[in-house]
Amino acid sequence: GAVVSQHPSWVICKSGTSVKIECRSLDFQATTMFWYRQFPKQSLMLMATSNEGSKATYEQGVEKDKFLINHASLTLSTLTVTSAHPEDSSFYICSAYAGNSPLHFGNGTRLTVT
Amino acid sequence: QQQVKQSPQSLIVQKGGISIINCAYENTAFDYFPWYQQFPGKGPALLIAIRPDVSEKKEGRFTISFNKSAKQFSLHIMDSQPGDSATYFCAASTGGSYIPTFGRGTSLIVHP
Repeated sequence: GAVVSQHPSWVICKSGTSVKIECRSLDFQATTMFWYRQFPKQSLMLMATSNEGSKATYEQGVEKDKFLINHASLTLSTLTVTSAHPEDSSFYICSAYAGNSPLHFGNGTRLTVT
Repeated sequence: QQQVKQSPQSLIVQKGGISIINCAYENTAFDYFPWYQQFPGKGPALLIAIRPDVSEKKEGRFTISFNKSAKQFSLHIMDSQPGDSATYFCAASTGGSYIPTFGRGTSLIVHP
């Protein structure tokens, strides 16, 4: 089956630094990738949608300057949390979409900002 | 506005019992209804899905029941096992896009 690899699985960083999370579709080309944020015991909140080679579309309330998304190829999207603060601590999940089948999700990245 | 309403928020079942999670929707344009299973610290994984042209779909111990007129669908887990303990999300999508609108999730605990 289709595999989406997300890296790192967890990261701890200091307040004010930036963190990059990678999302790769390993065995298919993803026309679209999505980034979600999930708080404990809550549902997935869509942050942004990215299509290869174009600017990401951010959901209302998501700061595009804080959460930088790059979708440089059909198999790789990155989310950079810039100038991270403790309130950015969360579980970030990517998913990849080939256009003709259900979404495949990565295993998430636990970000802790100290 | 919550487009997909899911209940209960949490559910405790004894091993061997039946777990039932319900979802309701308003948007009649929804045409694909997946259920996702998420274990702690992991991403969601597609468990089973249904389209509105059928009223039931079964895969092993997992069954989706779909009531188009009531705009409701439910997940039944038969012979629930401790390994089924996870959070379950119902979802719905439109127009063949497969891009889900998620319910709030149900935390299922199956006691041995």
